[in-house]
Amino acid sequence: RKEVEQDPGPFNVPEGATVAFNCTYSNSASQSFFWYRQDCRKEPKLLMSVYSSGNEDGRFTAQLNRASQYISLLIRDSKLSDSATYLCVVAGDGYNKLIFGAGTRLAVHP
Amino acid sequence: DTGVSQDPRHKITKRGQNVTFRCDPISEHNRLYWYRQTLGQGPEFLTYFQNEAQLEKSRLLSDRFSAERPKGSFSTLEIQRTEQGDSAMYLCASSFSSGEYSPLHFGNGTRLTVT
Repeated sequence: RKEVEQDPGPFNVPEGATVAFNCTYSNSASQSFFWYRQDCRKEPKLLMSVYSSGNEDGRFTAQLNRASQYISLLIRDSKLSDSATYLCVVAGDGYNKLIFGAGTRLAVHP
Repeated sequence: DTGVSQDPRHKITKRGQNVTFRCDPISEHNRLYWYRQTLGQGPEFLTYFQNEAQLEKSRLLSDRFSAERPKGSFSTLEIQRTEQGDSAMYLCASSFSSGEYSPLHFGNGTRLTVT
């Protein structure tokens, strides 16, 4: 089993749609969780951290369920510029390294 | 540009040759990471340094791979006797660690093609 697993994708949605990505992780000792965004042929960039109480940043909402070892990302009112690959990322104890999921590709069309 | 820089951007080599990549992190960052990414996959952890000390190396990493970070500044990743399976994007990232998480800042990567 992979340490971090994500929805296979791709997700093809119209502008304005709401889309949700799911992610599960295997290491129950994991301490920190993140969503990164990666545009085609570009490097990954931090989108947002994921906190236990859930957190929101504009149109983006992240949720964490430690009991189920599950992370989600909700994007509301999708924009064309949201088209990218979204990487679920888990940090182990001590923040020593980040483990990336395979990513879920999102394509927003007019 | 004060971001993470990697050199070269692209490298084409023949199987069996050695290659070396360089990474210059953001100057005040004490942690430096190497990741490898293939098409359709997320970045795969290879190794990381805190200052000049290499603190962790992936169990998946062949002994053909070696990384250094002399003086805790730039880092090099060397692959000896390259194989076609080594073809990938090699990403370097840096961060500042003070006990809590600090986001990784990635470089543009070095794309390796082994023919």
